[in-house]
Amino acid sequence: GAGVSQSPSNKVTEKGKDVELRCDPISGHTALYWYRQSLGQGLEFLIYFQGNSAPDKSGLPSDRFSAERTGGSVSTLTIQRTQQEDSAVYLCASTKTGSEKLFFGSGTQLSVL
Amino acid sequence: EDQVTQSPEALRLQEGESSSLNCSYTVSGLRGLFWYRQDPGKGPEFLFTLYSAGEEKEKERLKATLTKKESFLHITAPKPEDSATYLCAVQASGTYKYIFGTGTRLKVLA
Repeated sequence: GAGVSQSPSNKVTEKGKDVELRCDPISGHTALYWYRQSLGQGLEFLIYFQGNSAPDKSGLPSDRFSAERTGGSVSTLTIQRTQQEDSAVYLCASTKTGSEKLFFGSGTQLSVL
Repeated sequence: EDQVTQSPEALRLQEGESSSLNCSYTVSGLRGLFWYRQDPGKGPEFLFTLYSAGEEKEKERLKATLTKKESFLHITAPKPEDSATYLCAVQASGTYKYIFGTGTRLKVLA
């Protein structure tokens, strides 16, 4: 596609439910990042993928968070047993090998009630 | 610990009133410093990359500069369409993650 696509754009869920957030990066981009942006906070790094492997998952806040990437393309961020503090905008970004310019999607606004 | 601090948090300018945004950073070996613009409801959009002290980059009314401890984003004669949040980020040598500041919310009044 022309840009990084994220779905859904908005997700409202009840506390304790599981959610899946999807990121479709720009074709050919081998690196993929997930960030979280809360009101008044900077972008918080969650995980980095190079191809299908995740050499840096140091930012995942707890074992309720997991992410995978298949076929070197689409990535899914899963949050199990959601909590109210998980409410934020989840942003995905991709870039091609050798470039440091990140291309971001518009994000998924997650609201946990 | 790698860290990025941006100031001010918010800035209101009249159209044509030039100003500067500050990004102070602490990083164990700078691989690059990045400026992004973020509009409401959108993801950040890349503006500049700076690699070494003394480097400058320009794009339209924006000019980014870099020293060993901070970067400035200078906005010359801003227009209302320059209103956005401006984010600064650093990437340390030997790592892949980007550390972002909390941003400066710029509002340019007509």
